[in-house]
Amino acid sequence: RKEVEQDPGPFNVPEGATVAFNCTYSNSASQSFFWYRQDCRKEPKLLMSVYSSGNEDGRFTAQLNRASQYISLLIRDSKLSDSATYLCVVKGMDSSYKLIFGSGTRLLVRP
Amino acid sequence: EAGVVQSPRYKIIEKKQPVAFWCNPISGHNTLYWYLQNLGQGPELLIRYENEEAVDDSQLPKDRFSAERLKGVDSTLKIQPAELGDSAVYLCASARGAEETQYFGPGTRLLVL
Repeated sequence: RKEVEQDPGPFNVPEGATVAFNCTYSNSASQSFFWYRQDCRKEPKLLMSVYSSGNEDGRFTAQLNRASQYISLLIRDSKLSDSATYLCVVKGMDSSYKLIFGSGTRLLVRP
Repeated sequence: EAGVVQSPRYKIIEKKQPVAFWCNPISGHNTLYWYLQNLGQGPELLIRYENEEAVDDSQLPKDRFSAERLKGVDSTLKIQPAELGDSAVYLCASARGAEETQYFGPGTRLLVL
């Protein structure tokens, strides 16, 4: 079983739609959680951190459920420019501080 | 502020040949990471440096891969000899510290024929 699992998609939605991505992680000791965005043939870029209380950044809302070891990302009013792969990322508390990435969920927003 | 710089951006080599990748982190970033990203997968950590010290190289295939960060700034990652399965994108990332946000470079796309 992978440490971080995501639905690979693709999610194909019209402009203006609301879309949600989910992610599960296996290590209950994980402490930090993030969503990264990766455009085709580009590097991953931090979209937002995910906090236990949930957090919102414009059209993007991230939520964390520690009991279920589940992270979500909600995108409202989708734009064509939101088309990308969204990577769910977990950082462990061991000495490595390494980021553990899911395989990503691909989003395609159509006109 | 300049981002993480990597070169070359693309490299095509024949199997069994050596190859090297170079990374210049963001100025002032003490922590440097090398990740490997296969097609359709997320990046996987190969090695992490704190200044010039490799503090986590448990995922680095040491039979053919090596890395160095001699002066605690630039880093090189080498593969010798390359195998077909090494075809992937090699990403470098840097951070002010291990607990800080990681910023990725554009990557080196390697194709081994």
